[in-house]
Order: sequence, then C-alpha cells, then structure tokens
Amino acid sequence: KAGVTQTPRYLIKTRGQQVTLSCSPISGHRSVSWYQQTPGQGLQFLFEYFSETQRNKGNFPGRFSGRQFSNSRSEMNVSTLELGDSALYLCASSYPRRLAPKGSYNEQFFGPGTRLTVL
Amino acid sequence: AQSVTQPDIHITVSEGASLELRCNYSYGATPYLFWYVQSPGQGLQLLLKYFSGDTLVQGIKGFEAEFKRSQSSFNLRKPSVHWSDAAEYFCAVLSGGGADGLTFGKGTHLIIQP
Repeated sequence: KAGVTQTPRYLIKTRGQQVTLSCSPISGHRSVSWYQQTPGQGLQFLFEYFSETQRNKGNFPGRFSGRQFSNSRSEMNVSTLELGDSALYLCASSYPRRLAPKGSYNEQFFGPGTRLTVL
Repeated sequence: AQSVTQPDIHITVSEGASLELRCNYSYGATPYLFWYVQSPGQGLQLLLKYFSGDTLVQGIKGFEAEFKRSQSSFNLRKPSVHWSDAAEYFCAVLSGGGADGLTFGKGTHLIIQP
C-alpha cells in the first residue's frame, strides 16, 4: 500500500506571497492532520480534517488554512508568508475510529514533508 | 493540556551497546503514547505505540518501550544499537479525543559511535 505523499517536496517563496501544499493520504485513511516542524518550536499541530471538515485546530494564526476533498486528499494554504513560516510541513493520515483495524485507531502515518523556505 | 518532555537533547552510544531514551508526559487520563523516528530530510516513522493493556510494547527495528503510569514515563529501549539507528527520536502523546493532535517532545538526537 502506498504511503502518504506530499507535493511539492521543496518550495522557495518570498515574504508576502502565499503557498499551497498538497497531501495524499494512505488509501482508506480519511483523517488528515498537518504539522509544522521548526528547529525552535519543534513539531506543532496545525489542524486535522475528516470528511472534508476541519475537526481540530492548533494554535496558529488565521493565515494558515486548509481543506480536504471528497477523495480525502488535503491541501494547506499559508497566506502573506513571513520569514518565520520557513519550516518542514508534515502531513499525517489515519483511519477514523469506526474504520480502524483493532489497535490502529489514532495511529498516524506521516509523509516525507514539504520543506518551505521563505526569503 | 498535555505535554511531553524528552530530557536528553543528544545521546551518544557505541555501536552494539544498549540504548534507553527517556520520555515523560503530562496528561490527566490514560494517554495514547507513541515513539517516532526521523532520519535527516525524512518524515516521521512510527516505531511503536501504547494504547492500553500490556505496559511493555514491542515495535519495529528491535525497539521496545515500557509505560509506567506511576512515573508518567514511556521510555524507549533497544538492547543493541546499529549505526543505522542514528536519527532523531520523538515521543508523542495524543489525548483521547485527539482535539489537540499529537503533542511531541523536542526530540533526542541519537549519535552512534563506531
């Protein structure tokens, strides 16, 4: 079974621009979560989508947004980029509770990430 | 809110020696606990998880971890490390409802000496 894929893998933008990152979950997974990883703050939860609805959200400004499509693929968007947005953005997918194999609920599988550099 | 502490930022171990990486969590109820490994430029790979039941859990690549409720700990162990184990290791906790996503520790950078 193919893993979580993220595109693009690398991205360079300038301050003030906006960016869209894409994530395709593992087949059968319907929950997609996004995380930001920086040297200073470590790994931080951005938001989670399930059935095209944002279910949970971390403590990030409104410039960070996302959406999920009917095929469970997800995108996240960052508007008005700041230097501090430079980070590795990781996507993770998981089964919803009622569809999860025994012992697999809440088990998140991560993609390779998108490295965003803001100049 | 839950939190995770990994007290050791760096650990250096000789190849073939045993390994223990420490993790302490703060969470009111029984947590879902995870250990992930990240190689340079890569995403996170799940090593093992604890949801309930047996407090000693086995994972991939010969790793195991023990959940100790009284100490709020979930330490990762491996009896004999290999050079390929050099990586960043993250402990994480997920609240039962998952409302805050995974909360990660700051990570422990493992260096393997030949």
